[in-house]
Amino acid sequence: DTAVSQTPKYLVTQMGNDKSIKCEQNLGHDTMYWYKQDSKKFLKIMFSYNNKELIINETVPNRFSPKSPDKAHLNLHINSLELGDSAVYFCASSQDGGFAETQYFGPGTRLLVL
Amino acid sequence: AQSVTQLDSHVSVSEGTPVLLRCNYSSSYSPSLFWYVQHPNKGLQLLLKYTSAATLVKGINGFEAEFKKSETSFHLTKPSAHMSDAAEYFCVVSEAGNTPLVFGKGTRLSVIA
Repeated sequence: DTAVSQTPKYLVTQMGNDKSIKCEQNLGHDTMYWYKQDSKKFLKIMFSYNNKELIINETVPNRFSPKSPDKAHLNLHINSLELGDSAVYFCASSQDGGFAETQYFGPGTRLLVL
Repeated sequence: AQSVTQLDSHVSVSEGTPVLLRCNYSSSYSPSLFWYVQHPNKGLQLLLKYTSAATLVKGINGFEAEFKKSETSFHLTKPSAHMSDAAEYFCVVSEAGNTPLVFGKGTRLSVIA
């Protein structure tokens, strides 16, 4: 069983479109995250949710809106896609938001905006 | 604010020889430090972490790292490289509270047969 899963794995779309990426974890964790990995492999956190509440929002454009319907899911909706949004997006989860907690990552969603 | 510097963007070793991936950190408090590995087209997997217990930390697949506060370093080592170790390695620092993980820029490890 996959601990943290993301769909879709690949996403190719045109500029200006709206798209969503889904994430689910079956580990019973309270905290979930979205990360963006750019073309140089640099990883940066975008959002963190603890038990469906937003904890961290790292100066991400408001075109990006996370939604957590329950603590096992954290979806990412992106409006008006831009070329610079092309990246790999990783979902992760941890038992709680503690700074020493191990985070478990999904396989990533490769987004290409044309 | 915390930060982490991975001193080499690319390291190439021969199979069976030792691996050394270097990481220096900056932190105002006692940090937690992690090494994550990313194989091509995969997500990240934890190799090991330091959380203020023993300074020599052993991880999976024969990797280990030593926390050296005086040198603000957390270098990753393995005695003998295997072809399957070829991947991207990330050093990560975290401080107390709800501060996010801060990732280094990664070191790509190549293993030559």
